[in-house]
Amino acid sequence: GDSVTQMEGPVTLSEEAFLTINCTYTATGYPSLFWYVQYPGEGLQLLLKATKADDKGSNKGFEATYRKETTSFHLEKGSVQVSDSAVYFCALSGGTSYGKLTFGQGTILTVHP
Amino acid sequence: DAGVTQSPTHLIKTRGQQVTLRCSPKSGHDTVSWYQQALGQGPQFIFQYYEEEERQRGNFPDRFSGHQFPNYSSELNVNALLLGDSALYLCASSLAVTRVWGETQYFGPGTRLLVL
Repeated sequence: GDSVTQMEGPVTLSEEAFLTINCTYTATGYPSLFWYVQYPGEGLQLLLKATKADDKGSNKGFEATYRKETTSFHLEKGSVQVSDSAVYFCALSGGTSYGKLTFGQGTILTVHP
Repeated sequence: DAGVTQSPTHLIKTRGQQVTLRCSPKSGHDTVSWYQQALGQGPQFIFQYYEEEERQRGNFPDRFSGHQFPNYSSELNVNALLLGDSALYLCASSLAVTRVWGETQYFGPGTRLLVL
């Protein structure tokens, strides 16, 4: 079945540092890929998405490129802020089942001033 | 434009009891999906409702059941609660017609269920 693997956390950075959170997936067909963010005590918010190979999703300074050859969708940001502290989830839909989101285990990001 | 809403926000039950959680989708959406998020884990898909029918189901026992109403709102019911059912239950809504090119699911704030 479909699966998503994220780099293990937690990740701790200083403000203005560069961020990378790795995400790889296993799926048949051509899934869509997503990054969601969860702030403490809240539900999930869509951060960005990409629906086909080589697409780049971007939002609020975050970027991720859909790499089919390496089955990856790594999240990057050039300069993190304290307000970016949250849990980040990589997810896919499509593959063997439309409509169902399959999530990675999440990566906790803490940014210090 | 109201987003996805869920009620209640928190709930405490005891083992063996039954619980009903409610979800109203984002305006214009016709599909509702439910997820269970255990502490420190990613959300796990429970099931999805479209046109008042269960369309897909994840690996959850039939103690978990649901319903979708004509106004697209939905309920999640869990019978014979176990301690392991303690989790954040998330509802997500989407538009079925967008499924072919990668629908986006919009999540509510969740209902936190504690089973004692």
